[in-house]
Amino acid sequence: QKEVEQNSGPLSVPEGAIASLNCTYSDRVSQSFFWYRQYSGKSPELIMSIYSNGDKEDGRFTAQLNKASQYVSLLIRDSQPSDSATYLCAVNNAAGNQFYFGTGTSLTVIP
Amino acid sequence: KAGVTQTPRYLIKTRGQQVTLSCSPISGHRSVSWYQQTPGQGLQFLFEYFSETQRNKGNFPGRFSGRQFSNSRSEMNVSTLELGDSALYLCASSLGDSHDTQYFGPGTRLTVL
Repeated sequence: QKEVEQNSGPLSVPEGAIASLNCTYSDRVSQSFFWYRQYSGKSPELIMSIYSNGDKEDGRFTAQLNKASQYVSLLIRDSQPSDSATYLCAVNNAAGNQFYFGTGTSLTVIP
Repeated sequence: KAGVTQTPRYLIKTRGQQVTLSCSPISGHRSVSWYQQTPGQGLQFLFEYFSETQRNKGNFPGRFSGRQFSNSRSEMNVSTLELGDSALYLCASSLGDSHDTQYFGPGTRLTVL
């Protein structure tokens, strides 16, 4: 079983819609969770981090964490064509010496 | 604050050669992690250094090695290059604790011919 699993997609949504990206992780003691966005040919850039159960909002982005279900999600409201990218879910191990990344979900926002 | 920098940005080598990549972390960050990214495999963890010590290592052959200097700058070396080593090599820096965030450099695109 992989440490972090994501649906690879591709996921297509129309402009203005809500995009929902999901991620599950296997290590119950993980404490820190991250979403990165990666445009083609570029390096990953941090969108959000979340450490506590519940929702965390930042502009059009909302991260949701459910530690009991070992589940993290990212909602993108009012999706824009510029949101088209691959979204990587990452989990930090308890020692802080390794991040585990999912394989990423490819999102396309159709104008 | 300046971000993570990597040099060189692009590199072309031939099979059998060796290569050294460099990464300068964000000021104050003591942890540097290296990743290999290929289209089919996603981000693969190579190793992590903290205060000049390798704390963790991924599943790569011994041809891949690294080190970290006292100023937290890190280098990664690949010896006896193979065609399959062609990839984007990313380094990421962080403070190094369990709640910390990693920030990525722009990457080095290595092509092995």
